[in-house]
Amino acid sequence: GAGVSQSPSNKVTEKGKDVELRCDPISGHTALYWYRQSLGQGLEFLIYFQGNSAPDKSGLPSDRFSAERTGGSVSTLTIQRTQQEDSAVYLCASSLQGTGGSRPKNIQYFGAGTRLSVL
Amino acid sequence: KQEVTQIPAALSVPEGENLVLNCSFTDSAIYNLQWFRQDPGKGLTSLLLIQSSQREQTSGRLNASLDKSSGRSTLYIAASQPGDSATYLCAVRLPSGGGADGLTFGKGTHLIIQP
Repeated sequence: GAGVSQSPSNKVTEKGKDVELRCDPISGHTALYWYRQSLGQGLEFLIYFQGNSAPDKSGLPSDRFSAERTGGSVSTLTIQRTQQEDSAVYLCASSLQGTGGSRPKNIQYFGAGTRLSVL
Repeated sequence: KQEVTQIPAALSVPEGENLVLNCSFTDSAIYNLQWFRQDPGKGLTSLLLIQSSQREQTSGRLNASLDKSSGRSTLYIAASQPGDSATYLCAVRLPSGGGADGLTFGKGTHLIIQP
């Protein structure tokens, strides 16, 4: 089936503007993750959704960052009042959690990312 | 706080050589460890996942080992090919609730295989 899809692939915005990044996970995957990859910083975890549970927001760098996941599927990461240090590639991943069954569990599958540039 | 270190940061070898990439982590109480490759401008591709109870996993020319007590993992690539050129990332997940938490990544090893 289709992999994790992210849009847009590139986003250029002006400092102070709000941006929304979208992630379509693999169908049937209950867990969804957002990560940020900055030059020289490596990949850092931002937020995690599992089913209908409250999201784990422990990785969000500031209150300008928020995310939601509607209907347990599509997720949107919103950055308000963008700053130049927000420039990075934002990656989304999904996985099938739990044990049992024939499909591989706990492997995170990543989208191609959204490259955000804040001018 | 879990920290993941990958050595070397960069590696360039002639085609055909066998090579080993190293990953170390500071908190041995991991749920699993995953190796990825990342090609320029693209997302991550999962290569191998090792559960905390496992010692190694193999896929084709790739073999990953895990020594949880010493906080180490290695990725062995046999008979390297130019198509193996990429950045290789190691990531660990700590047990948290149902075992589903964000991954902690190393900064990667940038691998170049010379034809």
